Amino acid sequence: KNQVEQSPQSLIILEGKNCTLQCNYTVSPFSNLRWYKQDTGRGPVSLTIMTFSENTKSNGRYTATLDADTKQSSLHITASQLSDSASYICVVSAPSGSARQLTFGSGTQLTVLP
Amino acid sequence: KAGVTQTPRYLIKTRGQQVTLSCSPISGHRSVSWYQQTPGQGLQFLFEYFSETQRNKGNFPGRFSGRQFSNSRSEMNVSTLELGDSALYLCASSPGRESYEQYFGPGTRLTVT
Repeated sequence: KNQVEQSPQSLIILEGKNCTLQCNYTVSPFSNLRWYKQDTGRGPVSLTIMTFSENTKSNGRYTATLDADTKQSSLHITASQLSDSASYICVVSAPSGSARQLTFGSGTQLTVLP
Repeated sequence: KAGVTQTPRYLIKTRGQQVTLSCSPISGHRSVSWYQQTPGQGLQFLFEYFSETQRNKGNFPGRFSGRQFSNSRSEMNVSTLELGDSALYLCASSPGRESYEQYFGPGTRLTVT
């Protein structure tokens, strides 16, 4: 069964600090991996999308890495801001392109304190 | 370009009632997917539509149904509501048949009492 496991489940950091969120997956075959940011009560917003041939992708202070061999990805947030407080969701896609073949992680709830 | 819009944003219903949620995709997008999000289960796939045809359906009971119109707008309906149907219902649109590039709406928060 395809699974996406995210850790930690929740994380509290101080403003200005860096943090790293983890995503391990068992989806096979694999097409791409995405990281979304979801603010409370709103829809997810895409941060990065990586295919199996990409090792890293950046979007401002967000940097995602992917190791397709070990089936692991991480999202690194640099110099955190209060607005980074949100849920971060890892999503892995099978090659079919169908939304049915998307496997969602349960998310990491990040809280940034002043 | 306007983003994905969903109406209503909030809804309170009682058990046994039915509800219809609406989603307007980004202009030009032909694919619409629906998801249920709950704190315990995360995002669960409901349906996927492309050009008015249901392409896939998730593992939900028959009380959940949907459709897509010729202008790509989509609706989902839940009949005989149960307390467990309380959730955030998210709609996402994609330009083409594949879901590689999905844009989510703000969701409809459904509370069943």
